[in-house]
Amino acid sequence: GENVGLHLPTLSVQEGDNSIINCAYSNSASDYFIWYKQESGKGPQFIIDIRSNMDKRQGQRVTVLLNKTVKHLSLQIAATQPGDSAVYFCAERLSGGYNKLIFGAGTRLAVHP
Amino acid sequence: DGGITQSPKYLFRKEGQNVTLSCEQNLNHDAMYWYRQDPGQGLRLIYYSQIVNDFQKGDIAEGYSVSREKKESFPLTVTSAQKNPTAFYLCASSIGGTSGETQYFGPGTRLLVL
Repeated sequence: GENVGLHLPTLSVQEGDNSIINCAYSNSASDYFIWYKQESGKGPQFIIDIRSNMDKRQGQRVTVLLNKTVKHLSLQIAATQPGDSAVYFCAERLSGGYNKLIFGAGTRLAVHP
Repeated sequence: DGGITQSPKYLFRKEGQNVTLSCEQNLNHDAMYWYRQDPGQGLRLIYYSQIVNDFQKGDIAEGYSVSREKKESFPLTVTSAQKNPTAFYLCASSIGGTSGETQYFGPGTRLLVL
């Protein structure tokens, strides 16, 4: 896209397969996490969120897993479709203070028919 | 139709010129944010406002200014002091407060230097 992901890691999957996108977050004090999807030339779109008192949360075709021990977040997309092709990035919120989010650089998901 | 709108979609700036990017939301959100996005990097916070008539600097505020005179509006001015303004600018809003409220984004404005 014109504005994101020129040098991002890319995950290539076949249509219909499951996708797993990983994210390592930086702060053990973070209490809230969000996954966003960004298509080329558009603003990020909220996908799913999870609080630090949970390990797993499911949405429609998506699941987020949180492993606080190793500070790892993952997004699983079931039955990946061509419309899922985009850049995905995670964000962590530092506990306390205002609602500051720290964003990862993102992973490009390429879905092949 | 509720949401966040940003205008213009593309904006061109000449040397030494100040330009203003518009952000409007009708979600009745208290908090609003401006981010800058460069290729291969995560979003970086420029300014944020938790409530009307109040705003705070983010991580990269130099060369930018904002105002928050109305709840629904949070314009960003890119001043001539910003030496590398070419980027994709994103506005976001959230309900507000200190709990983990989701930030919702507008469609973005692409700023280019002539």
